[in-house]
Amino acid sequence: KNEVEQSPQNLTAQEGEFITINCSYSVGISALHWLQQHPGGGIVSLFMLSSGKKKHGRLIATINIQEKHSSLHITASHPRDSAVYICAVERSGNTPLVFGKGTRLSVIA
Amino acid sequence: NAGVMQNPRHLVRRRGQEARLRCSPMKGHSHVYWYRQLPEEGLKFMVYLQKENIIDESGMPKERFSAEFPKEGPSILRIQQVVRGDSAAYFCASSPGTTTEQYFGPGTRLTVT
Repeated sequence: KNEVEQSPQNLTAQEGEFITINCSYSVGISALHWLQQHPGGGIVSLFMLSSGKKKHGRLIATINIQEKHSSLHITASHPRDSAVYICAVERSGNTPLVFGKGTRLSVIA
Repeated sequence: NAGVMQNPRHLVRRRGQEARLRCSPMKGHSHVYWYRQLPEEGLKFMVYLQKENIIDESGMPKERFSAEFPKEGPSILRIQQVVRGDSAAYFCASSPGTTTEQYFGPGTRLTVT
């Protein structure tokens, strides 16, 4: 079993829909990261969380440390949000990331 | 402040040749991580370096792969005698060490023919 599990694997949404991507992990962590990988392949860091909730524009990330679970929400989704969203955890500071397999999101106009 | 730079962006090598991938971290960053993304698979850690030191190489294949991060210049990931299974996207990320947020480079796509 992978240490980091994401669901769903693939997601298709209509423009404007509210989207939720889930991430569960099985190890103790110091922080959780949400990353975005565009079709061109580049990776952008969206959030780094160790507790609570963060918001950036239409993106919201939450984490529940007790339940070992995080969610990434996209409000008012747009075709340009189409990408692979990757959850990654770090077990302690300045350690390598352990990645989920990613969620492939397609937003259709 | 320029982001993390990697070159080349695309590299084609024949089986048996050597591949050298370069990563220049963001200015002020002294920590470099290398990750590999095989086709249709997730990212996997390879090696973590600080200037002149390998901190964790637990993700590196035991043979043919090596990495360095010299005092001056970029970090280098070197793959000797490449095989078709080495074809992948190789990403590096850097962090300042004072925080653990990692900034990713655009990746090098290695194709072994």
